[in-house]
Amino acid sequence: KQEVTQIPAALSVPEGENLVLNCSFTDSAIYNLQWFRQDPGKGLTSLLLIQSSQREQTSGRLNASLDKSSGRSTLYIAASQPGDSATYLCALGAGGTSYGKLTFGQGTILTVHP
Amino acid sequence: AAGVIQSPRHLIKEKRETATLKCYPIPRHDTVYWYQQGPGQDPQFLISFYEKMQSDKGSIPDRFSAQQFSDYHSELNMSSLELGDSALYFCASSSNAGTGSYEQYFGPGTRLTVT
Repeated sequence: KQEVTQIPAALSVPEGENLVLNCSFTDSAIYNLQWFRQDPGKGLTSLLLIQSSQREQTSGRLNASLDKSSGRSTLYIAASQPGDSATYLCALGAGGTSYGKLTFGQGTILTVHP
Repeated sequence: AAGVIQSPRHLIKEKRETATLKCYPIPRHDTVYWYQQGPGQDPQFLISFYEKMQSDKGSIPDRFSAQQFSDYHSELNMSSLELGDSALYFCASSSNAGTGSYEQYFGPGTRLTVT
């Protein structure tokens, strides 16, 4: 059974800092990995998708890496802004007949203060 | 761009009642997923459908059932509701056929409150 752990559970940083969120998983037989953002009581917004054959993906100030052999992914946020404050979730997509069902980590609660 | 639509957005029911949640996937997406997110919890996979057939099943109670219709919309039916069923219910869709990326796009969720 896939287990996903996100570290740290919470992070508070001043505006402008570069930061790294970590995600580790136990089963490397994944189809893909997605990073999501969730605002309180709201839906999930997909930030980045990394296919299992890829090593990283970039979108604006965000960069996500994937190392299947070590069971790790990192989300790098450059020049953080108060609007980045949210919960960040990583999710592993299962392959085969699971058609990519996602197993989520518990999330990292990020607060960026002005 | 069209997104995943869920209805209703909020639902209040009493214990032992029945609830039906609806999901309309992004056009041309062939797979629908349902997730449950309890207070302070991460989303948990319930069930998925690929081309109108159930493709996978997670920790879905026997009191819950779901189906996908010919127009690809999906409904999650919940009976004999319990207080513990109070949660955010998300529907997601993806395009998985051929070179589909399996990237999931989530709807805004239905907040179910059982009193």
